[in-house]
Amino acid sequence: SQTIHQWPATLVQPVGSPLSLECTVEGTSNPNLYWYRQAAGRGLQLLFYSVGIGQISSEVPQNLSASRPQDRQFILSSKKLLLSDSGFYLCAWSAGQGVNTIYFGEGSWLTVV
Amino acid sequence: AQKITQTQPGMFVQEKEAVTLDCTYDTSDQSYGLFWYKQPSSGEMIFLIYQGSYDEQNATEGRYSLNFQKARKSANLVISASQLGDSAMYFCAMREGYSSASKIIFGSGTRLSIRP
Repeated sequence: SQTIHQWPATLVQPVGSPLSLECTVEGTSNPNLYWYRQAAGRGLQLLFYSVGIGQISSEVPQNLSASRPQDRQFILSSKKLLLSDSGFYLCAWSAGQGVNTIYFGEGSWLTVV
Repeated sequence: AQKITQTQPGMFVQEKEAVTLDCTYDTSDQSYGLFWYKQPSSGEMIFLIYQGSYDEQNATEGRYSLNFQKARKSANLVISASQLGDSAMYFCAMREGYSSASKIIFGSGTRLSIRP
């Protein structure tokens, strides 16, 4: 069966420090991968999505970037965090055309101080 | 332009009553999909129900049904016989288009609270 994992689950980072969140999917090949951010008590904002290795679409211009070095690995990064980067980050995957379900990871709580 | 609109930031419902959560969407694609997810306080995202734009019947999954009104571009979630465990955030989402490159966007959510 397919599984998705992301880590770390929680982190507290100072302003200006770098960030790396990692997400891996098992049990499927060539998944579509997504990074969403959820500010406290708010909706999910699509940050990046990828349909293949090295293919990244950015939805929101900001100081975050994403990379997909392997088929089932998706990484969210920042060189210098801002206070406004705080939130709950969710990785997700889907497969094929006419997607009728997307599957989410456990989420990563980021607090920038 | 906002593609998915959930106009109810919060709702309170008495246990065992039915509840309708509103969702409207905007797309020019003929092929699209609509989703509902539940997010308890733990943060996990739980898939509830899916409706394809070409599906003629409203989708149902147990106590959940999706009231799909294509001409009005609405996809409301109906929860019958609400339970205390239904208290959570609920998100409507849309897949615009049919290709594997179609992105999936979410609304701002509705916080549902069930009163005992």
